[in-house]
Amino acid sequence: AQSVTQLGSHVSVSEGALVLLRCNYSSSVPPYLFWYVQYPNQGLQLLLKYTSAATLVKGINGFEAEFKKSETSFHLTKPSAHMSDAAEYFCAVSSNRDDKIIFGKGTRLHILP
Amino acid sequence: DVKVTQSSRYLVKRTGEKVFLECVQDMDHENMFWYRQDPGLGLRLIYFSYDVKMKEKGDIPEGYSVSREKKERFSLILESASTNQTSMYLCASSLQGPRNQPQHFGDGTRLSIL
Repeated sequence: AQSVTQLGSHVSVSEGALVLLRCNYSSSVPPYLFWYVQYPNQGLQLLLKYTSAATLVKGINGFEAEFKKSETSFHLTKPSAHMSDAAEYFCAVSSNRDDKIIFGKGTRLHILP
Repeated sequence: DVKVTQSSRYLVKRTGEKVFLECVQDMDHENMFWYRQDPGLGLRLIYFSYDVKMKEKGDIPEGYSVSREKKERFSLILESASTNQTSMYLCASSLQGPRNQPQHFGDGTRLSIL
């Protein structure tokens, strides 16, 4: 069965520093992977998705993620954190049996001034 | 642009009440989903629907039911609300077909059961 594991329920970085949010997946078939962001009191917004066309995927707001099959990882990065990046981030993988998406438990990103 | 609209952002109800949460999407999507979100537990799927009048149980359907009479509308029903159903409820929709289809979310309904 498909699953994702997000390492760290809370991550703090200084403004201007590198953001790295970790996601490892488990999948019995080639995966389709997603990163979503949730700002306070809002729904989830798609940041980017991996669909096998390229291993490095660029998303909105300067974020990108790299698919590494050998490490079963899909970590999210941003070179320089901004205060507006403070939010909760969810990694997700498509189910191989139906149209569901399986979500990780989320990582809350805190930006320190 | 994709739009999923949930009828209420905040809702306060009493235990034992019948509660309706409404969700409408304007993208002609076949799939619709209801999740609840609780701290530390992430998103948990309650029910989903692949077509009008069709529903399937998710991971935590107990205490909930759904209705999908029209393609664009998916309702979540708490038959007799209880305090443990206090939560953030999120509706989502997606296209059917290829597994690379993302889900599109509404802004959520924060429900408090007193």
